[in-house]
Amino acid sequence: DTAVSQTPKYLVTQMGNDKSIKCEQNLGHDTMYWYKQDSKKFLKIMFSYNNKELIINETVPNRFSPKSPDKAHLNLHINSLELGDSAVYFCASSPTSPGQRNSPLHFGNGTRLTVT
Amino acid sequence: SQQGEEDPQALSIQEGENATMNCSYKTSINNLQWYRQNSGRGLVHLILIRSNEREKHSGRLRVTLDTSKKSSSLLITASRAADTASYFCATVNYGGATNKLIFGTGTLLAVQP
Repeated sequence: DTAVSQTPKYLVTQMGNDKSIKCEQNLGHDTMYWYKQDSKKFLKIMFSYNNKELIINETVPNRFSPKSPDKAHLNLHINSLELGDSAVYFCASSPTSPGQRNSPLHFGNGTRLTVT
Repeated sequence: SQQGEEDPQALSIQEGENATMNCSYKTSINNLQWYRQNSGRGLVHLILIRSNEREKHSGRLRVTLDTSKKSSSLLITASRAADTASYFCATVNYGGATNKLIFGTGTLLAVQP
């Protein structure tokens, strides 16, 4: 009955490879996010989707491409992986729809990506 | 950037003591939220305080907000070893109709048994 689940939990891959991380939420939320947490624990928002529509797209290399097939799923595909992509990637969701600004986020447990 | 900064970066206390963490931010906010992150896990929402509120309580947690100083504090009373975690403040940044949370740098709290 996990609310926000990500797979895989760990991902070790070589430079230049392409990989995907999947996220699903069963909370019925309208909005989903991807955050990146670096080795110093700094959390930076990458993308946000509301009802399958991209609403936040921060300054992220275009090697990163999010895809939301429905409002319960938000996947992250990364092309041509680089060493600097190593981090923990968190998926999150919130019930927020445009105009509702007070909703807390529910996070998954993260995917630790290591690029060698 | 509206990123919050937290102080101290790390805090070590004994069980039973109180722990206070501070957060400062740069721009006007609608609300400020506190999250906890246990090692190897995702963030968990603790408490939300709106810009027109000055203090809020939830169990052993007490949050204050001073919008004139652009700062907030999180007090954990009677700490327990299970409170050991990183604590983050986050502010809502208006980007049109979006709800974008910008996180602070975090305080690592260690509660010694």
